[in-house]
Amino acid sequence: SQTIHQWPATLVQPVGSPLSLECTVEGTSNPNLYWYRQAAGRGLQLLFYSVGIGQISSEVPQNLSASRPQDRQFILSSKKLLLSDSGFYLCAWSVRGGADNEQFFGPGTRLTVL
Amino acid sequence: DQQVKQNSPSLSVQEGRISILNCDYTNSMFDYFLWYKKYPAEGPTFLISISSIKDKNEDGRFTVFLNKSAKHLSLHIVPSQPGDSAVYFCAAGGAGNMLTFGGGTRLMVKP
Repeated sequence: SQTIHQWPATLVQPVGSPLSLECTVEGTSNPNLYWYRQAAGRGLQLLFYSVGIGQISSEVPQNLSASRPQDRQFILSSKKLLLSDSGFYLCAWSVRGGADNEQFFGPGTRLTVL
Repeated sequence: DQQVKQNSPSLSVQEGRISILNCDYTNSMFDYFLWYKKYPAEGPTFLISISSIKDKNEDGRFTVFLNKSAKHLSLHIVPSQPGDSAVYFCAAGGAGNMLTFGGGTRLMVKP
């Protein structure tokens, strides 16, 4: 069966510090991978998606970046965090070319920028 | 421009009664719709889905209705249980495995 891992579960960082959140998927190959953010009281905002190693598409302009160094690894980064980067970050995967669009989410990372 | 909207940020229902969560969309190219359930500090979990070729899909206590002409879908939970209390997101998808999520509705089921 497939599983998706995210770490850390919670993170408190000062403004201006760097960020690295990691997501890995097990039990599947060639997945589509996604990073979402859920800000307080708001829905899920798609930040990045990837259809393959090294292929990253950005949905919104921001000071975050994403990388996919391996097929089942997706990393969200920032060189300098802003207060507005606080939120709940979710990684998700889906079957590439799947007909039903279903995405499977990880447990999330709660990021607080102080 | 929000392509998927959940106009009710919250809903309170008595245990045993029906919960109806609504979702509207604007993009007629969406051909697959999903509902996710999310508890605090956890990732969303898939609940039920419907293809645009159907108008109803049922799974136990959960039924999703799709009205394509009105670009509207709804999730019915009958009977509602306290454990159903969570945030519910509707999502719409088309070609390319992308999903567009609504803003979520917080459901509170009172014992």
